[in-house]
Amino acid sequence: AQTVTQSQPEMSVQEAETVTLSCTYDTSESDYYLFWYKQPPSRQMILVIRQEAYKQQNATENRFSVNFQKAAKSFSLKISDSQLGDAAMYFCAAEEVGSRLTFGEGTQLTVNP
Amino acid sequence: DTGVSQDPRHKITKRGQNVTFRCDPISEHNRLYWYRQTLGQGPEFLTYFQNEAQLEKSRLLSDRFSAERPKGSFSTLEIQRTEQGDSAMYLCASSLARGNFGNTIYFGEGSWLTVV
Repeated sequence: AQTVTQSQPEMSVQEAETVTLSCTYDTSESDYYLFWYKQPPSRQMILVIRQEAYKQQNATENRFSVNFQKAAKSFSLKISDSQLGDAAMYFCAAEEVGSRLTFGEGTQLTVNP
Repeated sequence: DTGVSQDPRHKITKRGQNVTFRCDPISEHNRLYWYRQTLGQGPEFLTYFQNEAQLEKSRLLSDRFSAERPKGSFSTLEIQRTEQGDSAMYLCASSLARGNFGNTIYFGEGSWLTVV
């Protein structure tokens, strides 16, 4: 069974600053994807970024980037130039066969103006 | 493309009653997933379908829970004899799967269940 751990229940950042959210995982799959999802108060989960495990290059999507350390089973999310609209719950997720997702407990991000 | 839609968005029911949730996936998406999310927690996988076939059920899905996806289109999740512990948000998601990994999954807004 897969496990995903997010050790930061809450984080805060000043608008325009950079913040990093941590995630560690454990999986027996040899090939897999990792994801970060955002869940604003409206509750709809929105995909932020994804990383294919066998790609060494870290994924980047505009202001969002990841630091993927496969040997350490670490997958952190960096948000640059934070905006008020980034405030949300962020979930790290690992994919099992069939694209079933195992989610972490989440990190509540607050962006201060 | 209207996204994944779920109905009802909120349901309050008395303990012991049956409830049914409906999910309409994005058109032509062949995979459909059900997750449960309680307050302050991440979503937990319940079950998923490839077209009309139910491929896996989590151990969280007790025999009071049943899900169907007739004709591989919309899906229903029924909870019989509801208990207070069933209070949660039930999330539906869908994807156009082209393999076992790496498929982008789109979530609906969820159906909130409160059992009183």
